[in-house]
Amino acid sequence: SQTIHQWPATLVQPVGSPLSLECTVEGTSNPNLYWYRQAAGRGLQLLFYSVGIGQISSEVPQNLSASRPQDRQFILSSKKLLLSDSGFYLCAWSGPTSYNEQFFGPGTRLTVL
Amino acid sequence: AQKVTQAQTEISVVEKEDVTLDCVYETRDTTYYLFWYKQPPSGELVFLIRRNSFDEQNEISGRYSWNFQKSTSSFNFTITASQVVDSAVYFCALRRTTDSWGKLQFGAGTQVVVTP
Repeated sequence: SQTIHQWPATLVQPVGSPLSLECTVEGTSNPNLYWYRQAAGRGLQLLFYSVGIGQISSEVPQNLSASRPQDRQFILSSKKLLLSDSGFYLCAWSGPTSYNEQFFGPGTRLTVL
Repeated sequence: AQKVTQAQTEISVVEKEDVTLDCVYETRDTTYYLFWYKQPPSGELVFLIRRNSFDEQNEISGRYSWNFQKSTSSFNFTITASQVVDSAVYFCALRRTTDSWGKLQFGAGTQVVVTP
């Protein structure tokens, strides 16, 4: 069966510090991968998605970036965090076909102080 | 443009009551997929159901049931005999069949609070 991991689970970082969040998927190959952010108030915002190694698409311009160095690894990064980057970050994967549902990881709760 | 509206921000019920969550969507596509997810306090989104636009058959799974009506662009979700463990935020989402990478358009979510 497939599983998705995210770490760290929680993170407190000062403004201006770098960020690296990691997501890995097990039990599947060539998944579509996604990063979402959920700010206080519940709304889910799609940040990045990837359909393959090295293929990243961005949904919103911001100081975050994503990379996919391996088939089942998806990394969210920032060189300098802003207060507005605080939130709950969720990674998700889906199969390659259009009807596949997305399965979400446990999330990382980021607080920028 | 795609849009999903969950007009109910929060619903509070007492255990064993039924609760119905509304979801109304907008799309110009003739084929699409609809989803429901549950987000318990732990934060992880849990997939509940996927419905294809060409299949309007309603579905029941245990205490959960879904009523899909294409004519009114609605995909409502009912929890029968609610339990405290049903307390969560529930999201409705829409996906275009033409999007090979599968972008989900989420609604704002409905918070369900079940008290004993």
